[in-house]
Amino acid sequence: ILNVEQSPQSLHVQEGDSTNFTCSFPSSNFYALHWYRWETAKSPEALFVMTLNGDEKKKGRISATLNTKEGYSYLYIKGSQPEDSATYLCALGFYFGTGTSLTVIP
Amino acid sequence: DAGVIQSPRHEVTEMGQEVTLRCKPISGHNSLFWYRQTMMRGLELLIYFNNNVPIDDSGMPEDRFSAKMPNASFSTLKIQPSEPRDSAVYFCASSVGASGGYTFGSGTRLTVV
Repeated sequence: ILNVEQSPQSLHVQEGDSTNFTCSFPSSNFYALHWYRWETAKSPEALFVMTLNGDEKKKGRISATLNTKEGYSYLYIKGSQPEDSATYLCALGFYFGTGTSLTVIP
Repeated sequence: DAGVIQSPRHEVTEMGQEVTLRCKPISGHNSLFWYRQTMMRGLELLIYFNNNVPIDDSGMPEDRFSAKMPNASFSTLKIQPSEPRDSAVYFCASSVGASGGYTFGSGTRLTVV
C-alpha cells in the first residue's frame, strides 16, 4: 500500500481567487498519477492522468503539474467559482489520498 | 454507455446477515476495482481484477469479505456475516488497463444495524 498525502485537508476561498493544493507520494516506483473531482452525493470524476515528470495538464481553469523526482503534484484552479466546490482527490495507481475539500464562497 | 452500474444504491441490513453488492463495469474495460469509502480512511482499495482475474486482494479487510468476477460484465462483493463496522459507501470502478483513469459507479451506501 502506497502512502499518498494531500494538503491542505480543506480550503475555503472567495469567488475569483486562485488556489492550489498538493499531492505528495513516494517518488520510487512511480507509475501514473490521477486527479479526480468528487462532488457531494456523486461519484469521483477523472480530471487528469499524468505519467511523465514535468507533465502539465490543463482543463479550462484547472491545471496540474507533476514532479516524479521529488514526489509531488500540484493542482491549480484559476479564478475559483462556486461550482468548483468539491473534494479533489489524487491517486497513485490504485491508492487514493484523502482529498482536499474546496469550498468557494460567493 | 450507461457507465459503471452498481446495485443496490442503498442497503440496510441487520448484523449477521449476508450482503451482496453488484457491479457492471463499462463494456470494454478490462480492469475492475472495489473501493470502500469511510470518513476516517477515505477511499480504500479492497480488491482489483484484471481480465476477470483477482490480482490484488490485500485490501480485503478479513475473511468475511469475498469478491468474484465470473465474467467481463459482472462482479460481486459479498460480506458474510455483516457487522456494524462494515457500514460505508462501497464504490466499484472500471478502466481500460490498471493505469487508466477510472470511471466510478454511483456507489452503494451500506448500513449494518
